[in-house]
Amino acid sequence: ETGVTQTPRHLVMGMTNKKSLKCEQHLGHNAMYWYKQSAKKPLELMFVYNFKEQTENNSVPSRFSPECPNSSHLFLHLHTLQPEDSALYLCASSQEEGGTGELFFGEGSRLTVL
Amino acid sequence: LAKTTQPISMDSYEGQEVNITCSHNNIATNDYITWYQQFPSQGPRFIIQGYKTKVTNEVASLFIPADRKSSTLSLPRVSLSDTAVYYCLSISSGSARQLTFGSGTQLTVLP
Repeated sequence: ETGVTQTPRHLVMGMTNKKSLKCEQHLGHNAMYWYKQSAKKPLELMFVYNFKEQTENNSVPSRFSPECPNSSHLFLHLHTLQPEDSALYLCASSQEEGGTGELFFGEGSRLTVL
Repeated sequence: LAKTTQPISMDSYEGQEVNITCSHNNIATNDYITWYQQFPSQGPRFIIQGYKTKVTNEVASLFIPADRKSSTLSLPRVSLSDTAVYYCLSISSGSARQLTFGSGTQLTVLP
């Protein structure tokens, strides 16, 4: 238990569906992150939020839309995805953006796009 | 951006000490060295962090020489459950862009 909870743990969707991934942290942190991890590949940083404001968008396609209503919650809205978007999506949080590198990760949401 | 280089994979046997070395030749003055462990289909987990010399916790030790161009993660008496991917990061405060994980080192512990 890391204090970062992601739902759903598994998601299967068609290319025309709209779905959302949710992340909640109970650590009182101010920064939250979305990472993507495809099979046999390194983690890719997607988005960074600090005090609810987006500070980093790592050239992510617009079919991925993040939302951070408060410092404890982070969403990733998914729309018209492609099969190559199938991956493990990981949410993380830290006390401050970057901090000294201690990130707390959730268990991830395994996404399969058919 | 600081870049780290690690071996792609390592094998060890139960009960042995394992040392994984990471190279970070371009490390900046403000950078900390941080190591993570990741099991399949789970998020990475923080193991240890240091700036220089030696740091030890209940899980591992981290050795950083004076020039800080490399670091070594030491896992004492590994068990099968230590089989995982280990990532080395070089990070400075406030720089989320540097929170980039490389390919890591796949450690396989054999019985």
